[in-house]
Amino acid sequence: DIQMTQSPSSLSASVGDRVTITCRASQYVSSYLNWYQQKPGKAPHLLIKSASSLRSGVPSRFSGSGSGTDFTLTISGLQPEDFATYYCQQSYTPHALTFGGGTKVEIK
Amino acid sequence: QVQLQVSGPGLVKPSQTLSLTCPVSGVSITSDYYYWNWIRQSPGKGLEWIGYTYYSRATYYSPSLKSRVDISVDTSKNQFSLHLDSVTAADTAVYYCASAPAAGPVAFDYWGQGILVTVSS
Repeated sequence: DIQMTQSPSSLSASVGDRVTITCRASQYVSSYLNWYQQKPGKAPHLLIKSASSLRSGVPSRFSGSGSGTDFTLTISGLQPEDFATYYCQQSYTPHALTFGGGTKVEIK
Repeated sequence: QVQLQVSGPGLVKPSQTLSLTCPVSGVSITSDYYYWNWIRQSPGKGLEWIGYTYYSRATYYSPSLKSRVDISVDTSKNQFSLHLDSVTAADTAVYYCASAPAAGPVAFDYWGQGILVTVSS
């Protein structure tokens, strides 16, 4: 299986901050990388697919970049509703899909 | 818009079979356009893909669970199901069903609300 490693595992930030989360794949995944947001007690919500394609309805302060093995999710101007846990997921191997361990974004 | 809702028992005894269903609304379960997935999340931990079915074409399972998992479709009820055999405490988790468009890279666009299944005697 392709292992996905996120860093940091948690971070503290203030409203208005720019936040960057990193996801690294254990092998090449091209741009087959998605990002999800999960709030406590809720199912994950798809934010970005194919590394940089923002899902319809997702605020433009969210952006994704990267290809190959290294990817980033950036939140430009953190809002109160953005405090959540974020997960990356690779689909390069469509029959062995894997997620990162998550990054919890907390209020400073 | 696709809507999914997980249902099933919240408590299963060790060594027994965990069975969940996911009724789908908004689209036919036989659609060419969707994969139907099961994903789980152990308490306080990350997400684990279990498998998906693409109606009448193929079904794929996580290599780590393949020997114990079966995903099936009931077209009469427009739902899909998960069966996980020989469960242990390690299978305690919130179980989600989710759809993923069959075109392009697999991304889970709609999710059910999730159900906590506890494995305990």
